[in-house]
Amino acid sequence: EDKVVQSPLSLVVHEGDTVTLNCSYEVTNFRSLLWYKQEKKAPTFLFMLTSSGIEKKSGRLSSILDKKELFSILNITATQTGDSAVYLCAVGPTSYGKLTFGQGTILTVHP
Amino acid sequence: NAGVTQTPKFQVLKTGQSMTLQCAQDMNHEYMSWYRQDPGMGLRLIHYSVGAGITDQGEVPNGYNVSRSTTEDFPLRLLSAAPSQTSVYFCASSYPGAYATEAFFGQGTRLTVV
Repeated sequence: EDKVVQSPLSLVVHEGDTVTLNCSYEVTNFRSLLWYKQEKKAPTFLFMLTSSGIEKKSGRLSSILDKKELFSILNITATQTGDSAVYLCAVGPTSYGKLTFGQGTILTVHP
Repeated sequence: NAGVTQTPKFQVLKTGQSMTLQCAQDMNHEYMSWYRQDPGMGLRLIHYSVGAGITDQGEVPNGYNVSRSTTEDFPLRLLSAAPSQTSVYFCASSYPGAYATEAFFGQGTRLTVV
């Protein structure tokens, strides 16, 4: 059975802090790992990672994948209150639109 | 761009009632799927479809039916609602690719079964 585990489950920080969110997985036929941000409604796409060691960056957010150790991290630097959300990690074993999600990490950023 | 549209946004059902959650996408995506989201459990796949006329079960299919008569629409039917089906339901669509591709999500339907 495919499995995706995120840690920590929740995190409370102050503005300006740097956070690291973790995602480990055990899936058959791994193809890609995706990160989503979810603020009250639908998840919104952040990154897709398919190869080890390649860092994806978008502003203050960055992510890297380790296919040998089966994990990914999402870093957020200089956090802002607008970063408060649930961050979801998902793994796609195939290209058929089937994603296996982790439980999510609830990030709360205080002013 | 409408993207993925789900209706209704909120619904309260009595145990044993049936209903259909609607999902439509206007991006001509071949792949569509339904997820449910419960506290502390992330999103779990209910059913998915790789094209019109083709559907398959996901991780938690019991109590739900789907059909895909057109590329655009992928309704989810609850046959006889149970309190355990109280959840937030998301429909998603994506396009084919060598890798799992970005899924575009609808805004969700919050369902309460009493």
